[in-house]
Amino acid sequence: KNQVEQSPQSLIILEGKNCTLQCNYTVSPFSNLRWYKQDTGRGPVSLTIMTFSENTKSNGRYTATLDADTKQSSLHITASQLSDSASYICVVSASGDMRFGAGTRLTVKP
Amino acid sequence: DAGITQSPRYKITETGRQVTLMCHQTWSHSYMFWYRQDLGHGLRLIYYSAAADITDKGEVPDGYVVSRSKTENFPLTLESATRSQTSVYFCASSSGKGTYGYTFGSGTRLTVV
Repeated sequence: KNQVEQSPQSLIILEGKNCTLQCNYTVSPFSNLRWYKQDTGRGPVSLTIMTFSENTKSNGRYTATLDADTKQSSLHITASQLSDSASYICVVSASGDMRFGAGTRLTVKP
Repeated sequence: DAGITQSPRYKITETGRQVTLMCHQTWSHSYMFWYRQDLGHGLRLIYYSAAADITDKGEVPDGYVVSRSKTENFPLTLESATRSQTSVYFCASSSGKGTYGYTFGSGTRLTVV
């Protein structure tokens, strides 16, 4: 069983709408959590990084939250754009190891 | 240009053949990594290297060989390709393992027929 579970697997929304992607993890001891964006045919690119003591971090229209007690994180995308169409990958670091979720495939339609 | 480049971008090879995927970084990062990405799975670590001439196995190392004679290069070799090795391969580099962010290449899509 993957130690980093993401939901939903895929999501389709209309341009301009908001959406929230979920990440649950069992990895321990927790070091940090990152959200990556992966465009089709490209490598992942880091969006945010959160450590144990951080609850919220924003990067433009992207806002990540972390609840270290429940081991859950979310990525909220505001006012979606067509360029947001991509896979979003949750990555949890523990003891020097990076554990990758399978990703959520987001499609933004006009 | 600074960055991390992989070659080739696409490769089709036959079962049993040896194939080498190349990775070159200009960041002077000490760590380099090879991952494979398959549908339904997160990226899985194949091998990594902490410095020149220092390599170690990751989660799925069987059937792969790596070397790192120079800090900037980290080739991945499939000694005898199998169909189960059909995948997208990503190289990454970082200043550390786990703590620092990873910079990924654009990937190599390998098909073994």
